[in-house]
Amino acid sequence: EVELVESGGGLVQPGGSLRLSCAASGFTLSSYAMNWVRQAPGKGLEWVSYISSSGTTIYDADSVKGRFTISRDSVKNSLFLQMNSLRDEDTAVYYCARDAGTNWDLDLWGLGTLVTVSS
Amino acid sequence: QSVLTQPPSASGTPGQRVTISCSGSSSNIGTYNANWYQQLPGTAPKLLIYYSDRRPSGVPDRFSGSRSGTSAYLAISGLQSEDEAVYYCAAWDASLTGLFGGGTKLTVL
Repeated sequence: EVELVESGGGLVQPGGSLRLSCAASGFTLSSYAMNWVRQAPGKGLEWVSYISSSGTTIYDADSVKGRFTISRDSVKNSLFLQMNSLRDEDTAVYYCARDAGTNWDLDLWGLGTLVTVSS
Repeated sequence: QSVLTQPPSASGTPGQRVTISCSGSSSNIGTYNANWYQQLPGTAPKLLIYYSDRRPSGVPDRFSGSRSGTSAYLAISGLQSEDEAVYYCAAWDASLTGLFGGGTKLTVL
């Protein structure tokens, strides 16, 4: 079955760090560009970060630039998001999403992992 | 406030046709076209329309999309109760960022 499964979320204090993982199954992750998208409780979707299929091109939202780092591991068939200097406003469900490659069309999403930043 | 502007709510009765708009600019929808996502309560978003008017396999043809200039539109015909969800437009922007609209909550009366 083709799916994405996120993990690594949890409760962290402001200023802390967390590393999210997104494991792919049923397809080769390295063939696709990938994204992280988040959704704060009761709010809309917010794009976080993009990485090309080769890993050589990365784009980040201004809200996370310099604090979050997207990466990928073709051997593990996984995507990662290293989150540092976390703030209250980073509290959200984080989704990884596959880019089908036509028009930044995200055709496969994981179920998400909840990150809560609170003291 | 989102760069892509959607109405916060829309409604219709079963069988009706409903249209949701998404207003952008020349740097996003005007250049890169729009995608639409459906998010049912408590679930992850699902791609509904891509490249403004294309449907992924498995999406019913009751859902259609169009673009006019820097605006995109999602139309749902033959409205059904299971269509009650939040709908998001999205587009890549020339500033090398991904954009989502604020979402439109569709209520089936």
